[in-house]
Amino acid sequence: ILNVEQSPQSLHVQEGDSTNFTCSFPSSNFYALHWYRWETAKSPEALFVMTLNGDEKKKGRISATLNTKEGYSYLYIKGSQPEDSATYLCAAEDYKLSFGAGTTVTVRA
Amino acid sequence: DVKVTQSSRYLVKRTGEKVFLECVQDMDHENMFWYRQDPGLGLRLIYFSYDVKMKEKGDIPEGYSVSREKKERFSLILESASTNQTSMYLCASSLRTSAGDTQYFGPGTRLTVL
Repeated sequence: ILNVEQSPQSLHVQEGDSTNFTCSFPSSNFYALHWYRWETAKSPEALFVMTLNGDEKKKGRISATLNTKEGYSYLYIKGSQPEDSATYLCAAEDYKLSFGAGTTVTVRA
Repeated sequence: DVKVTQSSRYLVKRTGEKVFLECVQDMDHENMFWYRQDPGLGLRLIYFSYDVKMKEKGDIPEGYSVSREKKERFSLILESASTNQTSMYLCASSLRTSAGDTQYFGPGTRLTVL
């Protein structure tokens, strides 16, 4: 099992502001890094999967980067909107996914 | 779109009862998974299956068993429910590719054991 840590555990951001948060994972035996968004009362939804050092992915106002050498990934939300409120999970993949505890983002109007 | 459904959104059972949680996926995925999610902890893998009639223990299999008689259905069984099995249970399916094992999740079953 890979030890995956996310920080902060929660954050509040004003509508229109940008924010970012971190996922750290052991860089050995690593195959891929996944980000999921989990909105209340819904299923976790896949956002990104990244495999290569330096990978960057973007989906609308949300983007993510990957550093496999130092074992971290950042997720960025640009111009936060209330619909971005969710728990964001990252998971490191070796032969299975090991999930972090998540960062809960609350966007205040 | 991939659809993963779970039999119940909310379930209340008594200690010692046998509990069945059902999961069905409609995308012909080979892989299926059962997780539980507790406050402050990441999703923890209970069991997974890479094929029909095949099962593998995850990180926390104690107190659980599974059944996969058909490709689309993966059942989680609590043989004798206990209060420490009160949790949110999530099912997922995937079709592993070279780009990684993207999993598709059901909406979850919140189980309370009294």
